[in-house]
Amino acid sequence: EIVMTQSPATLSVSPGERATLSCRASQSVSSNLAWYQQRPGQAPRLLIYGASTRATGIPARFSGSGSGIQFTLTISSLQSEDFAVYFCQQYDNWPPYTFGQGTKLEIK
Amino acid sequence: QVQLQESGPALVKPSETLSLACAVSNQYISSGYYWGWIRQSPGKGLEWIGSIYSSGSTYFNPSLKSRVTLSVELAKNQFSLKLSSVTAADTAVYHCAKMSGGGSGSYYFDYWGQGTLVTVSS
Repeated sequence: EIVMTQSPATLSVSPGERATLSCRASQSVSSNLAWYQQRPGQAPRLLIYGASTRATGIPARFSGSGSGIQFTLTISSLQSEDFAVYFCQQYDNWPPYTFGQGTKLEIK
Repeated sequence: QVQLQESGPALVKPSETLSLACAVSNQYISSGYYWGWIRQSPGKGLEWIGSIYSSGSTYFNPSLKSRVTLSVELAKNQFSLKLSSVTAADTAVYHCAKMSGGGSGSYYFDYWGQGTLVTVSS
């Protein structure tokens, strides 16, 4: 089973600034990596798939990069609605599909 | 926009079977996608349970495989989860989701239900 490790667990950033979230796989997952956003009380929302492709309707301030074992989600200029929990998921080596434990992005 | 809604009992007794259904709107289940179940708990985070195709083909998380049954009901445009012999460790929010991707099992989850909290307790 591939273990996904996200860092940091909590990230404090001011509105308008850039946020950089990391996700590391215990072995290569190629580019089969997705990112999700989850606001309190809501369903997870797909942001990025294929490590760098934005899902339908996702603003351009969200970008994903990386391949192999190291991945990054960057939010270029934080808006109030971006403060949430973010998860990564690998879908290269399955079963099972596995998720990171999440990074909570909070207002500084 | 595809919408999914989970339904089922919020409380299940230990050793019994947890049963949930997922109603899908704005997309026919028969249209050729995989559909999945994921659960979320403070202790284990997000955990994929299993997935089913419209034909009934299934695959599961090995850690849960012996206890999970998935089915589709095309006439109701919904799919269902049964998890047997539950314990307190199965207490979680259960989400259903539509899957998408490049094929051959390399799928991510592009639409999710809100989730339903199921508590296992006597």
